[in-house]
Amino acid sequence: DIQMTQSPSSLSASVGDRVTITCRASQNIVRHLSWFQQKPGKAPKFLIYDASSLQSGVPSRFSGSGSGTDFTLTITSLQPEDFATYYCQQSYIVPYNFGQGTKLEIK
Amino acid sequence: EVQLLESGGGLEQPGGSLRLSCAASGFTFSDYAMSWVRLAPGKGLEWVSSLSGGAIAAYYADAVKGRFTISRENSKDTLYLQMNSLRAEDTAIYYCAKDNNLAVTGYLDFGGQGTLVTVSS
Repeated sequence: DIQMTQSPSSLSASVGDRVTITCRASQNIVRHLSWFQQKPGKAPKFLIYDASSLQSGVPSRFSGSGSGTDFTLTITSLQPEDFATYYCQQSYIVPYNFGQGTKLEIK
Repeated sequence: EVQLLESGGGLEQPGGSLRLSCAASGFTFSDYAMSWVRLAPGKGLEWVSSLSGGAIAAYYADAVKGRFTISRENSKDTLYLQMNSLRAEDTAIYYCAKDNNLAVTGYLDFGGQGTLVTVSS
């Protein structure tokens, strides 16, 4: 199985900050990497697919990059509604494992 | 707009069974693979199972293999998850998600609020 490791596990930031979350795969997944946002009591929201393609309706302050085993999610100019938990997920091969999550909190 | 309405969750004893349903709308259901993903209390998202649009290819996480069965009824735009031999560790909110292809690709577009399954005596 491919293991997905996110860092950091938690992060404190302020409105207007730029933040970066990293995700590392235990083997080469090319660019088969998605990012999700989840808020308490809500369904996960699909943000980015194929490492860097923005899902329709997602604000352009979200961006993704990377290939192979190392990937990043960047949020520029944090907004109050961005404070949530973020997950990466590989879609290269089953099982489609997720990272353990990164909780983004308000400083 | 993709809309998915999960139902069928509840409280069940260890060893018991439940069947979850996911009613889809806003797209041609039979053209897309579908998946189930769960979120256990205090834990992260976990992929559970996926099924191709024609119900030919099904995949399962090791944690549920042999106990859960994914199926679909394309005439009713509905996805199912039959959960047998339930364990405490199956306690979670279960979400269904739409793929972007007839075949399973691991793409997960969520559209519902999930259904809560609690396994406890």
